[in-house]
This record gives sequence, structure tokens and C-alpha cells, in this order.
Amino acid sequence: NAGVTQTPKFQVLKTGQSMTLQCAQDMNHEYMSWYRQDPGMGLRLIHYSVGAGITDQGEVPNGYNVSRSTTEDFPLRLLSAAPSQTSVYFCASRKGQHTEAFFGQGTRLTVV
Amino acid sequence: GENVEQHPSTLSVQEGDSAVIKCTYSDSASNYFPWYKQELGKRPQLIIDIRSNVGEKKDQRIAVTLNKTAKHFSLHITETQPEDSAVYFCAARGYTGNQFYFGTGTSLTVIP
Repeated sequence: NAGVTQTPKFQVLKTGQSMTLQCAQDMNHEYMSWYRQDPGMGLRLIHYSVGAGITDQGEVPNGYNVSRSTTEDFPLRLLSAAPSQTSVYFCASRKGQHTEAFFGQGTRLTVV
Repeated sequence: GENVEQHPSTLSVQEGDSAVIKCTYSDSASNYFPWYKQELGKRPQLIIDIRSNVGEKKDQRIAVTLNKTAKHFSLHITETQPEDSAVYFCAARGYTGNQFYFGTGTSLTVIP
């Protein structure tokens, strides 16, 4: 049982490049979310999903896309990277509404 | 959506003293309030949570109190130890129950 696995751990992009951050969980959780963590701003919700085929926007969705084709996977796509997207990204999953969220180990993204 | 405010942003205490972190929330429909601890360079992990039908919950040296009328909840750590040094985040479940909103974090330093 690996929990929530994110790849890659580190990434450097040039402005305008696109990439996909991968997130997979093996706990059969319905709820999955993507957060970005910036100094002094806590964890801000980008997108979330309540099950396969269902996604919705969080607080800061602009510049990001998601899809949920399976229960296990919830990739985050950066369409055209900008320096403002330099951040640490966390994927999280949970079983239900009142249950613990399990986080991946994070992806440190730098856009130059 | 929900708005969660957290104070203080930094907190230093002497080993053995108590630490208190406070959060307020805006949505009166929120009914689940977890606290996460994030050690340097690591992922956030749940340390304690409380539901709205409970006013207080304890787990060894950690306790959380909830005042639904005033829409605030607090984390109390007693007999602090150096290993308690970390960033602590409060969160509240959004009105639909599908997403969590996090506070901006408190950096706690326990001085030996």
C-alpha cells in the first residue's frame, strides 16, 4: 500500500512549456485534490474530483487542467507554464467527507 | 466559498510550555475541521480533527476546541517538545463537503 504517489519530485520548466504532474493513489479513495503551497499563503486548492469522470475548480484553477478517467489517477496539466506557477504542488486523496486527507510527497516546480 | 484565517503566523515557545493556534472560518455550514502538521520538506499529515457536533477533542498532548457560534476553533499543544517544531495548518470543509479550505499556516518553534 503506497498511499499517494506523486511524480516528479522536482521539475524545472521554461516559460511557455507544458507538462503533467502525475498523482496516483491505491486506497480506492473517491476524493482527490490538487493544492499549491506558496510561502505565507498556505495550501490553496487548484482542482478537485469526487470520483472518476467528475472534476471541479478550486480557488486557483487558472492555467491548470485536470481529468479523472480512473479512481486511481488524477493528473494535473500545466498548459503554458508561467513564472507565477513556481510553487510546491501537493496531491491529496480521502475516502469521504469527514475523513483524513492523505498527501503525496509534493512536486517542487520552478518556471524560469 | 469558505474563508479560513489562521493566527499567529509564527509562534516561539520554550520547551515544556503550551502553544495555542487559532482559526476562524466564514461558512456556518462547515462541519469538519482537521489540523495538519508539516515538518520541513515533508508532506502535511493529519494530527487531530473535530466535527461540529463536538466542542472539544483530545489526543495525549494535543487538543482542539470548537466554538460554532463564534465560528472559531483552536489547536492546543501542551508540554511542547522540540519535535513539535513544524508548520501547522487548520482547515474547514467547504459547504458542499467536497473540498477543504486551509489556513495560511503557523510556524511553531519550540526552543529547547
